Amino acid sequence: DGGITQSPKYLFRKEGQNVTLSCEQNLNHDAMYWYRQDPGQGLRLIYYSQIVNDFQKGDIAEGYSVSREKKESFPLTVTSAQKNPTAFYLCASSPPGTSGGTGELFFGEGSRLTVL
Amino acid sequence: AQKVTQAQTEISVVEKEDVTLDCVYETRDTTYYLFWYKQPPSGELVFLIRRNSFDEQNEISGRYSWNFQKSTSSFNFTITASQVVDSAVYFCALWGWTNAGKSTFGDGTTLTVKP
Repeated sequence: DGGITQSPKYLFRKEGQNVTLSCEQNLNHDAMYWYRQDPGQGLRLIYYSQIVNDFQKGDIAEGYSVSREKKESFPLTVTSAQKNPTAFYLCASSPPGTSGGTGELFFGEGSRLTVL
Repeated sequence: AQKVTQAQTEISVVEKEDVTLDCVYETRDTTYYLFWYKQPPSGELVFLIRRNSFDEQNEISGRYSWNFQKSTSSFNFTITASQVVDSAVYFCALWGWTNAGKSTFGDGTTLTVKP
């Protein structure tokens, strides 16, 4: 079945460590996004990519980095510079022709990161 | 700047009751898109509906209906005869041309349907 796969589902990290969250899609979508969700809050955009080898900062990019070397993959690295990384992270993509964001978003099941 | 407000943080109803989730938005764009998503306990957001700013027709899909009113900048979502499986967090989102590539989400409304 087509969809978005995020891994790991749960991740624990010690302070000062970098961690990379995986996001893979087999929907042939051009655009991919990373969102952060905190309890009781909406989704905040971290980074997005509308095409391979290109990406832009979202609203809360500080302390995060991404790459888009393949259409199917958009990994997110949470660096030690991120002061409050404990959160739920969601990866999403949007269909071809709607990379401007006008199409609906397809989401993965999320990765829950906890900093010990 | 664009903004989405979901004033209802939590709603609790008994099964079979009707419930309306409110969404009010702000944007300077004349062309924009509005969305509703459902987030069940599993965490994955599921797309429910998209409406563009030129289409003010209300829509009904089974027990779900949406009321889009540009005059009041609202895009409300009604569930008729609610069921326990409707329990989830519901998000309203807005995409406008001046914020290209970035959707703005409301803070969500947690709906609990009790048997």
